[in-house]
Amino acid sequence: AQKVTQAQTEISVVEKEDVTLDCVYETRDTTYYLFWYKQPPSGELVFLIRRNSFDEQNEISGRYSWNFQKSTSSFNFTITASQVVDSAVYFCALSEMDSSYKLIFGSGTRLLVRP
Amino acid sequence: DADVTQTPRNRITKTGKRIMLECSQTKGHDRMYWYRQDPGLGLRLIYYSFDVKDINKGEISDGYSVSRQAQAKFSLSLESAIPNQTALYFCATSDPGTERGELFFGEGSRLTVL
Repeated sequence: AQKVTQAQTEISVVEKEDVTLDCVYETRDTTYYLFWYKQPPSGELVFLIRRNSFDEQNEISGRYSWNFQKSTSSFNFTITASQVVDSAVYFCALSEMDSSYKLIFGSGTRLLVRP
Repeated sequence: DADVTQTPRNRITKTGKRIMLECSQTKGHDRMYWYRQDPGLGLRLIYYSFDVKDINKGEISDGYSVSRQAQAKFSLSLESAIPNQTALYFCATSDPGTERGELFFGEGSRLTVL
């Protein structure tokens, strides 16, 4: 069965520190999609990235980067030079290649960036 | 205006009351979903719908029902609310033709059952 594990419940860092949020997934499929969403204190869910299982190339978007490793079933998210506005709950999610398009979410990691 | 709109945004009710959460979308997507968020548990799928004639249970459908009144409208009902249904509820849509798997979320409906 598919499963997403975010073992870090809460992380606290000081502004400008780098921080990595871990995501480990389980699936029997060879084709799947992985996602990261951000939930700021206001509560909405903000899409950050989608990665398909055939594309293991790491991605960088500004201060954000993602490291996808199929060998360890991990899709980790790094924020470089963190800022207070990065404080949020971050969710990793998995979508398998069935017809439902439903996402399986991890339990989330709460990131607190202190000034 | 938001592409996926949920009403009400906040609701406090009492045990045993019937509650309906409504979701409407202007994205033109066929697929719609209801998720529930609880602290430490992430988001869990309650129901999803491919079109007005296709409703499917998610992992935690007990105690809930849904209605797909039109392509753009998907409502979640709690027939007799209980305190452990206190949670943040999200409606979402997706489009199989374009962004595979990406969900577009509403702003959430916070429900408190006393």
